[in-house]
Amino acid sequence: AQKITQTQPGMFVQEKEAVTLDCTYDTSDPSYGLFWYKQPSSGEMIFLIYQGSYDQQNATEGRYSLNFQKARKSANLVISASQLGDSAMYFCAMREGLMDSNYQLIWGAGTKLIIKP
Amino acid sequence: ETGVTQTPRHLVMGMTNKKSLKCEQHLGHNAMYWYKQSAKKPLELMFVYSLEERVENNSVPSRFSPECPNSSHLFLHLHTLQPEDSALYLCASSQVAASGIYTDTQYFGPGTRLTVL
Repeated sequence: AQKITQTQPGMFVQEKEAVTLDCTYDTSDPSYGLFWYKQPSSGEMIFLIYQGSYDQQNATEGRYSLNFQKARKSANLVISASQLGDSAMYFCAMREGLMDSNYQLIWGAGTKLIIKP
Repeated sequence: ETGVTQTPRHLVMGMTNKKSLKCEQHLGHNAMYWYKQSAKKPLELMFVYSLEERVENNSVPSRFSPECPNSSHLFLHLHTLQPEDSALYLCASSQVAASGIYTDTQYFGPGTRLTVL
């Protein structure tokens, strides 16, 4: 079974609109972390935002916020007031557990976001 | 230089060549990673070094040989590659706690786009 599911392979959004990128996850470990990365066509994987499983509040970083719904196991990324420079692939990733071998990030397949002028 | 740098950014090589990819992190981290990103596949973790010791080798073919001379530098030596090894190779770094538990975010370099002819 997929541990990280991103159901939107691609999205077109009008500039200045808000956009929500979906991510659902599957884990039985009570300790986990969820990450969102942006990958422009240049290739670099850029860290955007992090949510820990025990965090009480949704994470926010500037125009990025994470809509964390623990019971539904979803961690959607919300980008407010989208800009042309937001066009990129967006990846959701999860780290499970707090054991000393938890260096492995589990990655989703990504969503290609295109912002239209 | 800041963050994580990788050289070269692009590499074209024949199957009989020997080349090396270089990664340098300027973040003071103590763990470094090599990932492979092929088209339409999730990121694949290849190697992890923590405190300059290899802690993971995800069944990577021996034609890929990593080297971590110190906590700031990571190399990937390539020899007798196959066309299916053509991909984007990403380096990342993070900070690992003294307990050996990985909790911090991984920061990525811009990648080396490798083409094997």
